[in-house]
Amino acid sequence: QVQLQESGPGLVKPSETLSLTCTVSGGSVSSGAYYWTWLRQPPGKRLEWIGDIHYSGSANYNPSLKSRLTLSIDTSQNQFFLKLTSMTPADTAVFYCARVGVMIKYADIWGQGTLVTVSS
Amino acid sequence: DTQMTQSPSSLSASVGDRVTITCQASQDISNFINWYQLKPGKAPKLLVYDASNLETGVPSRFRGSGSGTDFTFTISSLQPEDLATYYCQQYDNLPLTFGGGTKVEIK
Repeated sequence: QVQLQESGPGLVKPSETLSLTCTVSGGSVSSGAYYWTWLRQPPGKRLEWIGDIHYSGSANYNPSLKSRLTLSIDTSQNQFFLKLTSMTPADTAVFYCARVGVMIKYADIWGQGTLVTVSS
Repeated sequence: DTQMTQSPSSLSASVGDRVTITCQASQDISNFINWYQLKPGKAPKLLVYDASNLETGVPSRFRGSGSGTDFTFTISSLQPEDLATYYCQQYDNLPLTFGGGTKVEIK
């Protein structure tokens, strides 16, 4: 079955750039039926949609993060990526990657999440 | 952005009880709402999509209903394994947005 796994640093210093990778197994990021999506949940707060990317390279970003965010995809490695610049303690969160359908936007497959703490 | 107001934020119920969670959208979102279950340390799980469709493999005690701005998620007979936090999510427009969550505890 399709599985997603996030990887990246657990600790980032303020002002630095966060880089996360989501590795997809058991399926292909080249499927046109899905958006490959990033979400996060700060401690004690609600889930937040960060943005998504299609295998074609088309991406959608949350306007609240757009100026700091870059999403990309590597179909040859079956991975997609997040880069978030100018990190602050307010960006501390569990970051998830997920598969979201193009037609009905539900996230049917999620990674387990990775906690990213922003602290000096 | 479409705001999703979910209530209650937490509840405590006994095994076998009926549990109801509501989500209100700040604008008409038709039936474009999904419900998820989150447990600490585990991948979130999709339970209901398109307001009332049960995801494959999800027990039939979970049910969603509603349209427009008002939606309901029900667990007909609470089980010990249902200890979790539940979230609604709208997909009528971007950015996708979530409710504040309902933490379900077992008495």
